[in-house]
Amino acid sequence: KAGVTQTPRYLIKTRGQQVTLSCSPISGHRSVSWYQQTPGQGLQFLFEYFSETQRNKGNFPGRFSGRQFSNSRSEMNVSTLELGDSALYLCASSVTGDSGANVLTFGAGSRLTVL
Amino acid sequence: GESVGLHLPTLSVQEGDNSIINCAYSNSASDYFIWYKQESGKGPQFIIDIRSNMDKRQGQRVTVLLNKTVKHLSLQIAATQPGDSAVYFCAENPRYNFNKFYFGSGTKLNVKP
Repeated sequence: KAGVTQTPRYLIKTRGQQVTLSCSPISGHRSVSWYQQTPGQGLQFLFEYFSETQRNKGNFPGRFSGRQFSNSRSEMNVSTLELGDSALYLCASSVTGDSGANVLTFGAGSRLTVL
Repeated sequence: GESVGLHLPTLSVQEGDNSIINCAYSNSASDYFIWYKQESGKGPQFIIDIRSNMDKRQGQRVTVLLNKTVKHLSLQIAATQPGDSAVYFCAENPRYNFNKFYFGSGTKLNVKP
């Protein structure tokens, strides 16, 4: 069974640009969550999508957005990049329905560097 | 509440010894907890989980203990091996938060051969 796939693995952008990151969840997983990981702030929740709907959101500015497609694949976008957006962006998928949380399976992440 | 990573404590153990990694969680409404292991250049990898209606759960070479009274979680690794060297995170999930987890700042485990 293929794991969670994130693309691209590495990318470099300059301030003011925008970036789109992609995540393909494990087959059959309908929930996709995004996390930002930095040395200073650790792992922080960005948002979660389930059945193409955002059902949970973290405390990030509106520059961070996402979406989920009918095949459960997800993308996140960051507009007007700032130096502080440099981070490892992790996607995680889960089978969870409405009964409660379940194990998150993470991808290897997309390493974004903003210059 | 959220846990913020300010620094990464390090635990150094000798190969073959037992390791204990501790985590203090912040939300008394959390009812699901997971321990993750993260190796350099990889995403976090699931180790073991526990729900709040339990106080202990065992896996292969690992045990998680949950003390809800003091909001404390620990991960015990038996017979630690060099391959266990990694950063370990605890994650808590408050009730009704779907898959929103709050992660601890992490502990770096260094296994000496």
